[in-house]
Amino acid sequence: AQKVTQAQTEISVVEKEDVTLDCVYETRDTTYYLFWYKQPPSGELVFLIRRNSFDEQNEISGRYSWNFQKSTSSFNFTITASQVVDSAVYFCALSEGNTGKLIFGQGTTLQVKP
Amino acid sequence: KAGVTQTPRYLIKTRGQQVTLSCSPISGHRSVSWYQQTPGQGLQFLFEYFSETQRNKGNFPGRFSGRQFSNSRSEMNVSTLELGDSALYLCASSRRGGTGKKGTEAFFGQGTRLTVV
Repeated sequence: AQKVTQAQTEISVVEKEDVTLDCVYETRDTTYYLFWYKQPPSGELVFLIRRNSFDEQNEISGRYSWNFQKSTSSFNFTITASQVVDSAVYFCALSEGNTGKLIFGQGTTLQVKP
Repeated sequence: KAGVTQTPRYLIKTRGQQVTLSCSPISGHRSVSWYQQTPGQGLQFLFEYFSETQRNKGNFPGRFSGRQFSNSRSEMNVSTLELGDSALYLCASSRRGGTGKKGTEAFFGQGTRLTVV
């Protein structure tokens, strides 16, 4: 069965610190997609990145970077030089190959203090 | 380009009543999915509609139902409300439907916060 685990429930850092959010997934599909979403207090889930199972290249977008490792079934997310505006709940998700539905982890609440 | 719009934003209902939530997807998007978010269970998939047809359904009782109209707008209905139905209900739209093999990311609305008293 597909499953996503975000072991870190809450993380608190001081502004400008780097922070890594962990995500471990389980699936028997050979083709799958992994996602990260950000949920600010307003409630909507903001799409950050999608990665398919055949592309293990790491990606960097500004202060955000993602490390996908199939060997350890992990898809970790790093924020460099964190800012107060990064405070939110972050969700890692896995798409279920045939149905397209998203399976979410429990989320990591990130608090960045000034 | 307007995002996904969900109405109403907040709703308070009494146990036993029924409720209808609405979702207008991004223009051009034909797939709409619904998710329930609670502190205890997290984000759980309810169902997905594509071109007015329900394609996938999560593990929820029959009290939860939905539909999609020809303009891709979707509604979900919960009948005989229970206290445990209190949650944030999120709607997501995507261009071709499915975030899996077709790899189309889903864009979410701000949700409807339902409180059952």
